[in-house]
Amino acid sequence: DTGVSQNPRHKITKRGQNVTFRCDPISEHNRLYWYRQTLGQGPEFLTYFQNEAQLEKSRLLSDRFSAERPKGSFSTLEIQRTEQGDSAMYLCASSLQGASNQPQHFGDGTRLSIL
Amino acid sequence: AQTVTQSQPEMSVQEAETVTLSCTYDTSENNYYLFWYKQPPSRQMILVIRQEAYKQQNATENRFSVNFQKAAKSFSLKISDSQLGDTAMYFCAFPGGGSQGNLIFGKGTKLSVKP
Repeated sequence: DTGVSQNPRHKITKRGQNVTFRCDPISEHNRLYWYRQTLGQGPEFLTYFQNEAQLEKSRLLSDRFSAERPKGSFSTLEIQRTEQGDSAMYLCASSLQGASNQPQHFGDGTRLSIL
Repeated sequence: AQTVTQSQPEMSVQEAETVTLSCTYDTSENNYYLFWYKQPPSRQMILVIRQEAYKQQNATENRFSVNFQKAAKSFSLKISDSQLGDTAMYFCAFPGGGSQGNLIFGKGTKLSVKP
């Protein structure tokens, strides 16, 4: 169990640029979640995959955001035309399929800073 | 709407003493799970303890225990024999509904353990 891995750890970009983050879940986990965490707040749910299927998207996920999990393994989260308000920590988590008691395992996150 | 409330933004405790962090939630579900997560400074979020709502017995994990009051929708975390390594943000979390298991987090309590 190598844990959930996220890259990059930090991303600094200018407003209006596109950014892409990657998440590698724990290998046997078929559920993968993306959350956003701003300073002083708890994580907020963005979207969720079961295998390669994106099953749920939060209203927080505007049309500038897109997430994929093409082969049911790693996932990418892309933000197009970044805005100041996108500055946050983006967390990825994975879990086994099952009832809602399955604990989610989190990565270290990608901290995005928009200049 | 399902909500999670942590009313203590910051707390401090002396090493070796006991501290209790509070959490209240609102849900119309009958069977569900509740979680406490710990997020140390600049480190990944890890699961501390979970409670199954249909179990009357409070969950315990070493120095960590919960006081679960289902009727009051209260889920507090007690840390006994506090250690310096317990210094972290603590988040109460609750599944967002259905079978997806995406978590709704409280705003967190920043706990400082002082030597």
